[in-house]
Amino acid sequence: AQSVTQLDSHVSVSEGTPVLLRCNYSSSYSPSLFWYVQHPNKGLQLLLKYTSAATLVKGINGFEAEFKKSETSFHLTKPSAHMSDAAEYFCVVPTGANSKLTFGKGITLSVRP
Amino acid sequence: SQTIHQWPATLVQPVGSPLSLECTVEGTSNPNLYWYRQAAGRGLQLLFYSVGIGQISSEVPQNLSASRPQDRQFILSSKKLLLSDSGFYLCAWSDLYEQYFGPGTRLTVT
Repeated sequence: AQSVTQLDSHVSVSEGTPVLLRCNYSSSYSPSLFWYVQHPNKGLQLLLKYTSAATLVKGINGFEAEFKKSETSFHLTKPSAHMSDAAEYFCVVPTGANSKLTFGKGITLSVRP
Repeated sequence: SQTIHQWPATLVQPVGSPLSLECTVEGTSNPNLYWYRQAAGRGLQLLFYSVGIGQISSEVPQNLSASRPQDRQFILSSKKLLLSDSGFYLCAWSDLYEQYFGPGTRLTVT
């Protein structure tokens, strides 16, 4: 069965510094993988998705993620954090039929001025 | 373009009262529909999904039920709310593997 692990529950960075949000997956084959973002009391928005094409995926708001099969990782990065990036980030993998998704526990990103 | 609506946006209900949350989708036909609950610090839990009118699958045993009376309408209900039903409820629809989320309903059971 496919699953994702987000070991960090909270990451804090200063504005203008790089962001790294970690995600590791478990799958018997190369899965599709997604990152979603949720701002406080809002719905979730798709940041980017990997679907076995290019391993480096660029998303919205300057985020990107690299699929590394050897490390079973799909970490989310951004070169320079902005205050508006403060939110919760979920790593997600499709599981089973009917387009169901399994979500990681989420990482809360705080950005200090 | 497709849009998804949820209402109400916030709700405060006493323990033992009934619940009805509504989700509607516009701009697509025969979508898969999902209800999630997000409790504080516990991520998203899939509650129900539906692949068509009247077809509901429950993911976890609970005090809630779901119905899909129309193609683009998904309703989450309860006959008697529990304190543990408090949380943020999200509806979503999908086209293949990508899911699109509504704005959510914040439910507080007092």
